[in-house]
Amino acid sequence: ETGVTQTPRHLVMGMTNKKSLKCEQHLGHNAMYWYKQSAKKPLELMFVYSLEERVENNSVPSRFSPECPNSSHLFLHLHTLQPEDSALYLCASSQGYRGQQFMNTEAFFGQGTRLTVV
Amino acid sequence: AQSVTQLDSQVPVFEEAPVELRCNYSSSVSVYLFWYVQYPNQGLQLLLKYLSGSTLVESINGFEAEFNKSQTSFHLRKPSVHISDTAEYFCAVNSGTYKYIFGTGTRLKVLA
Repeated sequence: ETGVTQTPRHLVMGMTNKKSLKCEQHLGHNAMYWYKQSAKKPLELMFVYSLEERVENNSVPSRFSPECPNSSHLFLHLHTLQPEDSALYLCASSQGYRGQQFMNTEAFFGQGTRLTVV
Repeated sequence: AQSVTQLDSQVPVFEEAPVELRCNYSSSVSVYLFWYVQYPNQGLQLLLKYLSGSTLVESINGFEAEFNKSQTSFHLRKPSVHISDTAEYFCAVNSGTYKYIFGTGTRLKVLA
């Protein structure tokens, strides 16, 4: 496989459930991102990992917990979500840092996970 | 701080007509600019990018965008649209860090 792969593509969960979203990239990138896309709202950056360290956490509620075990994989663990958390969750990756320099190339996105909280 | 403004939330246009989707950015440092396209229930796909060099950049499917530093704009144009171009288009800016800032998107609707 190439590019950025997200699983599952669709997820319906109850407010008391615990689930995880998975993202995998085969591009040799070392920066990975979680974005939330809700209807009629701008794309929201949730978390950024650079070289497997979290470098951005945009005031995201603790019911969302990211994990980056290596530079190819990114998870978003979900628990006790609310209906307003229903959205399309997008994972992305970019080349990231080579030494001290951030490589100014584009971010590559996965197909997204459509999450519905009931 | 950087920001991206896409003034038009929706643009309806007839098939084979030209279209321009507007993007303006704000930044105090040099920027790198991108246009992405998103089809329903899909991720964002890169359409074209400006990193350096020629200010006019083109995509393989007929879109082009011009980086205008004095006007801080990066408008997307296509001389003749097709039904298949119906999608949402996002402008994004990056200033050499891990942060990509996206606009709110413009929904292009091509009418038969």
